[in-house]
Amino acid sequence: DQQVKQNSPSLSVQEGRISILNCDYTNSMFDYFLWYKKYPAEGPTFLISISSIKDKNEDGRFTVFLNKSAKHLSLHIVPSQPGDSAVYFCAAKAGGGNKLTFGTGTQLKVEL
Amino acid sequence: GAVVSQHPSWVICKSGTSVKIECRSLDFQATTMFWYRQFPKQSLMLMATSNEGSKATYEQGVEKDKFLINHASLTLSTLTVTSAHPEDSSFYICSADPGTGSNQPQHFGDGTRLSIL
Repeated sequence: DQQVKQNSPSLSVQEGRISILNCDYTNSMFDYFLWYKKYPAEGPTFLISISSIKDKNEDGRFTVFLNKSAKHLSLHIVPSQPGDSAVYFCAAKAGGGNKLTFGTGTQLKVEL
Repeated sequence: GAVVSQHPSWVICKSGTSVKIECRSLDFQATTMFWYRQFPKQSLMLMATSNEGSKATYEQGVEKDKFLINHASLTLSTLTVTSAHPEDSSFYICSADPGTGSNQPQHFGDGTRLSIL
């Protein structure tokens, strides 16, 4: 049972344009969401997070939007850069606990 | 920033061998560390939560006698894959929880590619 889903396995975007990565979840107990970026043969690196009491969090080129009623979150990267090419995982946790449930990842390719 | 070191990065060994993977938090103490397994093009699946000074908590379906976890200090957790077989071949990743706040992100090691022949 995949409680966190990233339905797009891959996304290709031109440099300078906006990248939008999507994530859906089914567990209504999730109250904190994170995005991680992963390069091949490396561990995930934390990017940005959002609490369920907010609907938006912004950090530089990265913005995460949360729509609780739709159980949907998205990561916007603008402007996209070639160095952003990586696999992006969304993750969720519930009730102040520290266990993360990960999505399946989206491979982002930013082309020149 | 926080750094988690995982060693070795790549292991190739014969079937029946036991393999130990180390996970160290280099600049912070971690009472809780996590072990994940990732199959190609799939999600990171939590295997177990490693608690310093106590027994690990395993996720459903993970054999605790197969995957031995020891968290002997606040900076080191080890995962031993006992009597490894080809189906144990996978990418294993650890993470450490800095524990400075309930929503502090986990920091991940760079993973260990385990190949059993």
